[in-house]
Amino acid sequence: DQQVKQNSPSLSVQEGRISILNCDYTNSMFDYFLWYKKYPAEGPTFLISISSIKDKNEDGRFTVFLNKSAKHLSLHIVPSQPGDSAVYFCAADNAGNMLTFGGGTRLMVKP
Amino acid sequence: ETGVTQSPTHLIKTRGQQVTLRCSSQSGHNTVSWYQQALGQGPQFIFQYYREEENGRGNFPPRFSGLQFPNYSSELNVNALELDDSALYLCASSPRGPPYGYTFGSGTRLTVV
Repeated sequence: DQQVKQNSPSLSVQEGRISILNCDYTNSMFDYFLWYKKYPAEGPTFLISISSIKDKNEDGRFTVFLNKSAKHLSLHIVPSQPGDSAVYFCAADNAGNMLTFGGGTRLMVKP
Repeated sequence: ETGVTQSPTHLIKTRGQQVTLRCSSQSGHNTVSWYQQALGQGPQFIFQYYREEENGRGNFPPRFSGLQFPNYSSELNVNALELDDSALYLCASSPRGPPYGYTFGSGTRLTVV
């Protein structure tokens, strides 16, 4: 039973345009959602998070949107840069006990 | 501020052997979690330690065990290694309570042959 899903295994975007990465979840008990970026041979790096009581959180070029009724969240990167090319994971937390990760989306930003 | 460090970075073991992986948590973080990431998949939660006690466990068999020490560092032990245990093992430390700022180490790549 996959509680967090990222249905797009890869995404290709032109530099300067918007990247939108999507994530769906099934467990309504999740109270915190996080996005991580991962380069090869490195651990995941925290990008941005959102509490389940909010619907939007912004940090520089990164914005996360949460639609609780649809159990859907998305990460917007504007403008996209070649250095953003990496694998992006969404993760959901339940009271700080554990993270449940999606399968990841590989983002490629073309110059 | 030091981050999370894991050792060793790479390891090759034979099926049936035992392995110990180590993790030093980030300064100020008292909770340590371990994750297994198989190739092409997202990390899977193994277990979490808080105050030297196991504080949650994922769907992993008892041959996966751990320890947390008074300085909040941690070990992951895997007995009777199987070929499917080949994966990247990630350690994450965090402070207690939201916003759950998990910081991950670079991982240990375990290959079981």
